[in-house]
Amino acid sequence: NAGVMQNPRHLVRRRGQEARLRCSPMKGHSHVYWYRQLPEEGLKFMVYLQKENIIDESGMPKERFSAEFPKEGPSILRIQQVVRGDSAAYFCASSPMGRSYNEQFFGPGTRLTVL
Amino acid sequence: KNEVEQSPQNLTAQEGEFITINCSYSVGISALHWLQQHPGGGIVSLFMLSSGKKKHGRLIATINIQEKHSSLHITASHPRDSAVYICAVERDSNTGKLIFGQGTTLQVKP
Repeated sequence: NAGVMQNPRHLVRRRGQEARLRCSPMKGHSHVYWYRQLPEEGLKFMVYLQKENIIDESGMPKERFSAEFPKEGPSILRIQQVVRGDSAAYFCASSPMGRSYNEQFFGPGTRLTVL
Repeated sequence: KNEVEQSPQNLTAQEGEFITINCSYSVGISALHWLQQHPGGGIVSLFMLSSGKKKHGRLIATINIQEKHSSLHITASHPRDSAVYICAVERDSNTGKLIFGQGTTLQVKP
């Protein structure tokens, strides 16, 4: 059973470009969380999705960021018109259920560098 | 003030020493997680607990709900235990969304 997959592992973008980060949850998991780790800072929650639904996006910046988790395929975190402050490690985690008491399994992360 | 505070921020130990990392939180929670982040950046879930104590190998995690405090203990520490240890809490039992501490960087010297 493959773990949580994220790609790309490293992504370099110039200011103003778009970044698309992909997350394939573990088999059988229908709940995905995205977290961001800014340089020298702790992890912060961004968004929680179930298949075809955004459940909680309270941690998402109001502009330029969006997330989806379609019926088929990976979850996508999309950052439009990237700025240097978007440089960070983005982790996704999946769990079989979104409720408490369920372990979250983390992917290896995507390290985004904005030039 | 952060909702989740860890101490110490940095810890250096000699191989074989008993290690304790502390986590205090200021909000009501439904569960608490301990995570390990390796130097390469990958994150592994170590424990999830809502009461009492759990043990896995040389790792022990305890939680005191009344005192809003949890500890992670490592017995017979080894250089391969060197990593960042992160405490995270779930406030909302309906979503499982995590709020993280700043992490404790542990270095175990041979």
